[in-house]
Amino acid sequence: GAVVSQHPSWVICKSGTSVKIECRSLDFQATTMFWYRQFPKQSLMLMATSNEGSKATYEQGVEKDKFLINHASLTLSTLTVTSAHPEDSSFYICSAQPQDRGRRETQYFGPGTRLLVL
Amino acid sequence: GQQVMQIPQYQHVQEGEDFTTYCNSSTTLSNIQWYKQRPGGHPVFLIQLVKSGEVKKQKRLTFQFGEAKKNSSLHITATQTTDVGTYFCAVSGYSTLTFGKGTMLLVSP
Repeated sequence: GAVVSQHPSWVICKSGTSVKIECRSLDFQATTMFWYRQFPKQSLMLMATSNEGSKATYEQGVEKDKFLINHASLTLSTLTVTSAHPEDSSFYICSAQPQDRGRRETQYFGPGTRLLVL
Repeated sequence: GQQVMQIPQYQHVQEGEDFTTYCNSSTTLSNIQWYKQRPGGHPVFLIQLVKSGEVKKQKRLTFQFGEAKKNSSLHITATQTTDVGTYFCAVSGYSTLTFGKGTMLLVSP
């Protein structure tokens, strides 16, 4: 299998606080992990690409100082939403790309984290 | 990056009717992937198409990749209520995926 977990599955926080979301590949190693954001009834928008041991690559329009990404190991990437505001409320989904050659073009998605900022 | 247009945005069918969603690009695609996202859930990988003119089947689902590798379709035969969800096509660039806007399928019993 190829299982990706995310924690927490949902979080409610006050405006101005920071929220950390973890993404783990449970049964495979992932050189690359991706963070997406999905607003209601919209498609997934790629926020950033995270490579183990190096700085994340952010998509245009995504503030790197606001969305801090750390990919410390081949099985864990974290996204921290700093000084969250109500407009950051969204469904955040990570995906992981297996390291092994045969599955490298496939991304396996985590279950997502619903963030509500009050 | 590569852009894909997906149509229709939304379709409501009666159980037993067929359903098709289309993905189109102005440029030649190296491959195309299809995902299903149930309401409240996350995208689940269905299939990847790579070859020109490729047709793959998964039970009632038929996936096609156009001869020119610029379009793709997903066809569901005799829909069931369990088919409800949003179907996304996605194209892979240099290690990233670009998703179409998705087609939301609603199936009435």
